[in-house]
Amino acid sequence: ETGVTQTPRHLVMGMTNKKSLKCEQHLGHNAMYWYKQSAKKPLELMFVYNFKEQTENNSVPSRFSPECPNSSHLFLHLHTLQPEDSALYLCASSNSGGGYTFGSGTRLTVV
Amino acid sequence: GENVEQHPSTLSVQEGDSAVIKCTYSDSASNYFPWYKQELGKRPQLIIDIRSNVGEKKDQRIAVTLNKTAKHFSLHITETQPEDSAVYFCAASGVQTGANNLFFGTGTRLTVIP
Repeated sequence: ETGVTQTPRHLVMGMTNKKSLKCEQHLGHNAMYWYKQSAKKPLELMFVYNFKEQTENNSVPSRFSPECPNSSHLFLHLHTLQPEDSALYLCASSNSGGGYTFGSGTRLTVV
Repeated sequence: GENVEQHPSTLSVQEGDSAVIKCTYSDSASNYFPWYKQELGKRPQLIIDIRSNVGEKKDQRIAVTLNKTAKHFSLHITETQPEDSAVYFCAASGVQTGANNLFFGTGTRLTVIP
């Protein structure tokens, strides 16, 4: 384990379902991030939290709703997703000006 | 926002040869440039990074160079080994207080042929 844990590792959900992705970091970092990784596309920054305050919402559709109750935990709530939302969702954390530590990701399939 | 372009998208080299991956960025305010390696089915891992006050950095077989004027940076891997086979991502950010929003290139799939 690198210190960033994501659950679940795999998720299959219908378009009418509601589910949540969870990320937890044990590194004492102050910033946490959600990225979407799709085939043949760059990693897309979705949300940024710094000391549990959201500092970036990169034009993400409202069907994705982040929550950061404290500096160690980050959630991504999902509802009424589309098939094109199927991807690997990666959580990362960092300290000020430092490199990211990524979690293993959640492989999401929307059916 | 920042736009990072990465070339080539695929690269095959013979074991023992060198590999070079190049990236350009658009925002002259960017000052932090990390490189990540992602093996199949695994998370991206930081392998080396460079800040804008430095032109080159080396770590054993890996080196990164930065040309701020031209806004490009490169990853150099020497004496490649089969375990170097992976997808490599470059990234750029303007480091802000507290968080740094990294913008990634599209990745280079490196294959080292034994």
